[in-house]
Amino acid sequence: DGGITQSPKYLFRKEGQNVTLSCEQNLNHDAMYWYRQDPGQGLRLIYYSQIVNDFQKGDIAEGYSVSREKKESFPLTVTSAQKNPTAFYLCASSAGEVEQFFGPGTRLTVL
Amino acid sequence: SQKIEQNSEALNIQEGKTATLTCNYTNYSPAYLQWYRQDPGRGPVFLLLIRENEKEKRKERLKVTFDTTLKQSLFHITASQPADSATYLCALDSLVDTGRRALTFGSGTRLQVQP
Repeated sequence: DGGITQSPKYLFRKEGQNVTLSCEQNLNHDAMYWYRQDPGQGLRLIYYSQIVNDFQKGDIAEGYSVSREKKESFPLTVTSAQKNPTAFYLCASSAGEVEQFFGPGTRLTVL
Repeated sequence: SQKIEQNSEALNIQEGKTATLTCNYTNYSPAYLQWYRQDPGRGPVFLLLIRENEKEKRKERLKVTFDTTLKQSLFHITASQPADSATYLCALDSLVDTGRRALTFGSGTRLQVQP
């Protein structure tokens, strides 16, 4: 059963803590992406990776970090430097410049 | 500045009617445009892709048009059903600073189909 998974579904963070969101895909896609979605807004690109061991900043990378050590995994760390991290985080993958397949999302709340 | 505009107001229609959603953009030269469906609390699901040299694309009850002169795409759902109720996002590919292309999403339009 191919697809893209994210965990956890809900995540609560205290002020000043770093948290890591997991994203795994078994679609054999080279490209992976992280987006942030705020209520009533579109998806904003945080980071993307076109290939293993390479990634690029998106429009709102400040306060976030990523790694791409394996083709199937693209974890996102939300650091304490991110001033307003409460949002819905979506991971996606694609086989190139075509349709993207999205995971179910992680809802992060800062307490 | 670059902008993608989708009607932020919800579109309410009766079951069986055709729903038409609009996506306008400025200062983009996309090679293609995509439409996605998003249900509350879930990730978007790809519906259709239309390239700059295509005027129209169809898939079952869905139809997308792409007018690069007007800088507009229209997304139609014919014979709409309550199950079509969702938020629909358009997305354009665009050139990013590094010389690579990436998708930029509109904020979406919520469609509500009344039985």
